[in-house]
Formats: sequence, structure tokens, C-alpha cells
Amino acid sequence: GNSVTQMEGPVTLSEEAFLTINCTYTATGYPSLFWYVQYPGEGLQLLLKATKADDKGSNKGFEATYRKETTSFHLEKGSVQVSDSAVYFCALRILEYGNKLVFGAGTILRVKS
Amino acid sequence: DTAVSQTPKYLVTQMGNDKSIKCEQNLGHDTMYWYKQDSKKFLKIMFSYNNKELIINETVPNRFSPKSPDKAHLNLHINSLELGDSAVYFCASSQEGSTGELFFGEGSRLTVL
Repeated sequence: GNSVTQMEGPVTLSEEAFLTINCTYTATGYPSLFWYVQYPGEGLQLLLKATKADDKGSNKGFEATYRKETTSFHLEKGSVQVSDSAVYFCALRILEYGNKLVFGAGTILRVKS
Repeated sequence: DTAVSQTPKYLVTQMGNDKSIKCEQNLGHDTMYWYKQDSKKFLKIMFSYNNKELIINETVPNRFSPKSPDKAHLNLHINSLELGDSAVYFCASSQEGSTGELFFGEGSRLTVL
């Protein structure tokens, strides 16, 4: 089947620390991969995406590389800020099933000043 | 202008009642979705409509009935509410043939007492 596994949270970091949130996937075919972010009290918004192997998605200092050999799409940021505190969701898109996104369980990130 | 808007944002009701959540998108997208987010932040797709036609119907109790009067609207009606229906319900939209980005509403928090 198609599924996404993320590291469990919450992840608590001090400001300016390095962030990694692990994401691995299982999929039939070649999915597109996404990271969405949900700030407190808001809906999800797209953070970055990659549509094929070895693509790197990047936005707002975050980046993730589509690794087909390890079926991974880990999210990284070199220096987190308090404003990055949110829930981060890794997701894959199944093209043949109505643009359906399958989400991981979400990882809560808390950044302390 | 809000791209994907849901009403109401908050809904508190008693078990056994019937309630509806409305969603409208002004992005011109042809596909709309309902997702349910539980208390642990886990997101699960419930339904997807493309141009008013149901294309995804996950294993959801038939007490939940989506209705799409036109491609800009997707409403969710829930009959005989149960305690386990308490969650945040997110509406989203996307454009078929796009790179897969979903645009989410801010969510409707349903509390069943």
C-alpha cells in the first residue's frame, strides 16, 4: 500500500539549532513528495515539494531531497526560529487516484528562545 | 479574499444531532476534499469531488454525506453525531493536472458532547 512514516514528536529545540524531521514512504509507482506545515489555529500550507528522485525542494530555509534508494524525504533547516514552531506533515501524492494526498502522522516542533 | 473558506469555525453540539459544515473555494479549482484531523493531529482523507462528481470515498460511516452543488462548493453533512466525530474537519482544493498542491481552509472544530 501507500503510506508515510514520520518521526514522532514533539521535537523541542533551542533557537538557531539544526532541525531534521525524518520521513520515509512506501508507495506503488513513483509518487510526488511534499512537506506541509500547520501553524497553531490554521490550516495546512505547502512548505516544499519534489516530484522525482534526487529533486531537492526548498523554501523559507527548509529543504528536503527525494531519495528513491532509501525511500526518504527528510526535512532539514540549518537554524530554526521560534516562529517555526508548528506541526510538520510529510505527504505523498498518488497520481492515479484523484490527486489524493496521503499524510504522515505529523511532527510537532517547538522552538524555545 | 480567503481562498478556501469554511463555516462554521467552531461547532459544539449534542450527541444524536445533525449538523453541516460548508466549504467554498474561489481559486477556480475543480477538485475539492474533506479531511478529518483527530486530537493527535493525524489527518485522514474522507472524500474528494472532481467537478461535482465523487471520486474518493474512504471508509467513512454513511452518517457522513458530502454534497457538491457546484465545483466551488463542497459541504459535509453529518447525521446522528457521535462522540468520536469530535475532530477538526479541513476542506481543501486543488487543480487537476497541477503539481499536486492542496490549498486548505482553516478548519472547522466540531465538539460533540
